[in-house]
Amino acid sequence: QKEVEQDPGPLSVPEGAIVSLNCTYSNSAFQYFMWYRQYSRKGPELLMYTYSSGNKEDGRFTAQVDKSSKYISLFIRDSQPSDSATYLCAMTNYNTDKLIFGTGTRLQVFP
Amino acid sequence: DGGITQSPKYLFRKEGQNVTLSCEQNLNHDAMYWYRQDPGQGLRLIYYSQIVNDFQKGDIAEGYSVSREKKESFPLTVTSAQKNPTAFYLCASSPARGNQPQHFGDGTRLSIL
Repeated sequence: QKEVEQDPGPLSVPEGAIVSLNCTYSNSAFQYFMWYRQYSRKGPELLMYTYSSGNKEDGRFTAQVDKSSKYISLFIRDSQPSDSATYLCAMTNYNTDKLIFGTGTRLQVFP
Repeated sequence: DGGITQSPKYLFRKEGQNVTLSCEQNLNHDAMYWYRQDPGQGLRLIYYSQIVNDFQKGDIAEGYSVSREKKESFPLTVTSAQKNPTAFYLCASSPARGNQPQHFGDGTRLSIL
């Protein structure tokens, strides 16, 4: 079993829809959680960085962490065609040198 | 304008040849990382370095080598021992170990001739 599981998609939604992207994990020691966006042939770009449980909002993006269920989500409101990309979750704890990444979910937003 | 620069963008390797991928950062970050990305497999860690003149193997180090002679630079050599080198290679850096987010370059796509 992988430490981090992420549905690969593709997820195809119409413009303006609310998108929910999710990751589950098995290591209860994870405390820091990140979401990255990766456009084709580009490097991942950090979108959200959260610590422990709770919600964090930044514009149209909301990151949610539920440590009791070992489940994190990224919500995108009013989705735009420019949001079409692969979204990667990543997580770690304080005493490690590494981030553990999900395999990424490909999102397509059509006009 | 701070960031991570990877070069070249595209690289072709002949059988039996070693090739070196460049990664330079001007973010003053201590830690640097190399990942390999294959379709459907996410990011796999090859090597990482927390400090100059020190580096550690990641999950898939066989067939690769690195050096860290300067804080700003972390080149990756793909040796002839790496039998399946075709992939997208990503370099990243972070201010310190572990819990800090990593910032990525735009990658090098390596293909076999």
